Amino acid sequence: QVQLVESGGSVVQPGTSLKLSCAVSGFSFSHYAMHWVRQAPGKGLEWVATISPDGSNKNHADSVRDRFTISRDNSKNVLYLQMTSLTVEDTAVYYCAREGNTIIIVDYFDYWGQGTLVTVSS
Amino acid sequence: QSLLTQPPSVSQTPGQRVTISCSGSSSNIGSNTVNWYQQLPGTAPRLLIYSSDQRPSGVPDRFSGSKSGTSASLAISGLQSEDEADYYCAAWDDSLNAPLFGGGTKLTVL
Repeated sequence: QVQLVESGGSVVQPGTSLKLSCAVSGFSFSHYAMHWVRQAPGKGLEWVATISPDGSNKNHADSVRDRFTISRDNSKNVLYLQMTSLTVEDTAVYYCAREGNTIIIVDYFDYWGQGTLVTVSS
Repeated sequence: QSLLTQPPSVSQTPGQRVTISCSGSSSNIGSNTVNWYQQLPGTAPRLLIYSSDQRPSGVPDRFSGSKSGTSASLAISGLQSEDEADYYCAAWDDSLNAPLFGGGTKLTVL
């Protein structure tokens, strides 16, 4: 069955960096676009970033552009989110999600991981 | 403030029907399909409806979606206590070149 397992969440200080991972199994990872979506405590969902199946196309939300970078290793079936210059506003549960449409890169998110908590606090 | 507007909360009694609205604009719902996600308390979101009115396998047919113009709706019939959750609409926005989520609606089953 399809599984997505995030890791790497932690408590960090403002201005520092952190790298999240999402290990996937149960499907052909290299055939699917992937996404990161976050949810601040008690708040709604916010799209963070998307990467194409081969990793050649990437898109990031304005709120994280130039600070966060999405990447993937298709040989290891792992999705990453490198986060730098973290601020308290980045505190959230970060979910990785699989793109459900195999033709276009961003349409709907059909499988989600359980999430990993990033807390930015001094 | 999300560009996709949902009511913060709705409530209904078991067995009844409830609808959740999602209002957008010509750059998002007006020109793209809508997806709906269910988030049970303490869990990750789950895809409920995609392409405005399609149900993934495993989603009961009590859940249905529709879209008209720049608005969309999620309907849940035969309401059950386990349907108590947060529901989010989502759509691509052509102007922002990014996917948008609505602010979410908390469904309470009385």
